[in-house]
Amino acid sequence: QSALTQPASVSGSPRQSITISCAGTSSDVGNYNLVSWYQQYPGKAPKLIIYEGSKRPSGVSNRFSGSKSGNTASLTISGLQAEDEADYYCCSYAGGGTFKFGGGTKLTVL
Amino acid sequence: QLQLQESGPGLVKPSETLSLTCTVSGGSISSSSYCWGWIRQPPGKGLEWIGTIYYSGGTYYNPSLRSRLTISVDTSKNQFSLKLSSVTAADTAVYYCAREWVAARRYDYWGQGMLVTVSS
Repeated sequence: QSALTQPASVSGSPRQSITISCAGTSSDVGNYNLVSWYQQYPGKAPKLIIYEGSKRPSGVSNRFSGSKSGNTASLTISGLQAEDEADYYCCSYAGGGTFKFGGGTKLTVL
Repeated sequence: QLQLQESGPGLVKPSETLSLTCTVSGGSISSSSYCWGWIRQPPGKGLEWIGTIYYSGGTYYNPSLRSRLTISVDTSKNQFSLKLSSVTAADTAVYYCAREWVAARRYDYWGQGMLVTVSS
């Protein structure tokens, strides 16, 4: 069961926008509109920030947005802030009750 | 507010069985809207989905772990558990329990995580 593919790191300056990609296959990302994104600070549990590809849970900033094209999902963070510096993970439903996570992307705010 | 808490031994010897329990408070584990999952994270690495259980006992496992894995549920105690047999150093990780909202296939509540080290 191969992991989804994310860039290891991305960076951006405050107030800029960045996009993190999450590449899967036609069996997971491409077959279901069920990609979620999680934000994780060091030593903390992951926090859900996007689900069903583009929906935000209550309380999550609208600076976070999600999209999908084919077998690749994307997370965009606009108006970067220092507090956005964290690790980000995508996760896709892969059928049969199973899930795949991406390898994670470390976001650095310059 | 729903809370999940992992518990169990923090140190397991190689070839033995890793056993963890997740206690759910602030809500019932017996709901068809949710199922209950385990996710792990080796030190300095990414997240890996382990498996999921419904309150009825139905399970879904990561194919790479299936031969060593058992997830069970105890609705009377509002708990679910993980057993991973024949562990090696590669199973050293922070183990998280989490609630999955079935309809949206999202993990919306997580435990704080528990580090389990496999070492003699």
